[in-house]
Amino acid sequence: AQKVTQAQTEISVVEKEDVTLDCVYETRDTTYYLFWYKQPPSGELVFLIRRNSFDEQNEISGRYSWNFQKSTSSFNFTITASQVVDSAVYFCALSVKSNYQLIWGAGTKLIIKP
Amino acid sequence: DTGVSQNPRHKITKRGQNVTFRCDPISEHNRLYWYRQTLGQGPEFLTYFQNEAQLEKSRLLSDRFSAERPKGSFSTLEIQRTEQGDSAMYLCASSLLARGGLGETQYFGPGTRLLVL
Repeated sequence: AQKVTQAQTEISVVEKEDVTLDCVYETRDTTYYLFWYKQPPSGELVFLIRRNSFDEQNEISGRYSWNFQKSTSSFNFTITASQVVDSAVYFCALSVKSNYQLIWGAGTKLIIKP
Repeated sequence: DTGVSQNPRHKITKRGQNVTFRCDPISEHNRLYWYRQTLGQGPEFLTYFQNEAQLEKSRLLSDRFSAERPKGSFSTLEIQRTEQGDSAMYLCASSLLARGGLGETQYFGPGTRLLVL
């Protein structure tokens, strides 16, 4: 069975601080995909990134970066120089090749204070 | 280029009434998913289609829920005899599963927020 754990229920930081959201996953499949989605107060889930299990390269996109480590089954997300607009709930999710359904973490609510 | 759209965005209904939601996926996408999300929770899978075929339904899905995707394009989700416990955000997502099955990314619509009084 697959599982995604986001242990941080809520994080609150002051604007311009860096913040890391943790995601730990479990799967026995050798081919799998990891995702991060952002859900602002408006409710729409916004796709941020997808990572394939065979590609452990870390990725940077502007102020966002992702650290994928198979050795610790983690796929952490860092926001550098956070801004108020980053305030949202962030979900980590997993899918496996045998069944592409998304397995969701519980989400981390990120609050960026001005 | 338009993303996934859902209508209506909000629906208030009385217990016992039927409601229907519509989802228009991204045009070239062959897969369409329905999820339900309640406050403070992650999305809960309801069902999904590949083209017009409904391939899986959640065991949690009551018989009062039915979904269709008649021509492999838009989809509808109907809830019959609504109950207060049906109040939630109903999310639709679409994806393109390419040949070779090298993974897919689901893109979500804005959701339909249902309130059953």
